[in-house]
Amino acid sequence: GDSVTQMEGPVTLSEEAFLTINCTYTATGYPSLFWYVQYPGEGLQLLLKATKADDKGSNKGFEATYRKETTSFHLEKGSVQVSDSAVYFCALSRELTFGSGTQLTVLP
Amino acid sequence: NAGVTQTPKFQVLKTGQSMTLQCAQDMNHEYMSWYRQDPGMGLRLIHYSVGAGITDQGEVPNGYNVSRSTTEDFPLRLLSAAPSQTSVYFCASSVITSGPMNTGELFFGEGSRLTVL
Repeated sequence: GDSVTQMEGPVTLSEEAFLTINCTYTATGYPSLFWYVQYPGEGLQLLLKATKADDKGSNKGFEATYRKETTSFHLEKGSVQVSDSAVYFCALSRELTFGSGTQLTVLP
Repeated sequence: NAGVTQTPKFQVLKTGQSMTLQCAQDMNHEYMSWYRQDPGMGLRLIHYSVGAGITDQGEVPNGYNVSRSTTEDFPLRLLSAAPSQTSVYFCASSVITSGPMNTGELFFGEGSRLTVL
């Protein structure tokens, strides 16, 4: 079945550092790919998505590119802020498969 | 713009007690689901529904029942609570974009924190 493998955390960065959170997937066909973010004490909310190969999703300075050849959807941000501290989940649309989540802490 | 509403937000049960977690959405979404979130294990799907009258099991269905009598509501029932069911529970809904399990963006409730003593 479908699966998502996500970089394990926790990840701790200084403000303005570059962020990469790796996500690879196994799936047949062409599922949509998502990154969700969970701020402390809240439910998950969509951060960005890509619906087909080579699509780039972007939002709030975060980006991820749907790479079919490497079955990856890595999350990147050029300069993180303290307010980006949260748990990030990679997910597949089909069967709504989630990765295990990566805790990001950004220090001032 | 209520979105997905879950109640209660917090609940403490004793082993063997029963309870129902309520979930309602006002976006006319066909798809609704329940997840549990445990430390280090991400989100695990308990049950889901692709429309009124249709439910199916997810990854961890044991100990939980669901029903979907209306499009809006998708309650999760614990018939005899166990300490292993201590967790944070999230309800989510979505449109169905193509096929029975291909969905769009999930909209989540704020979660229900359950403790079973």
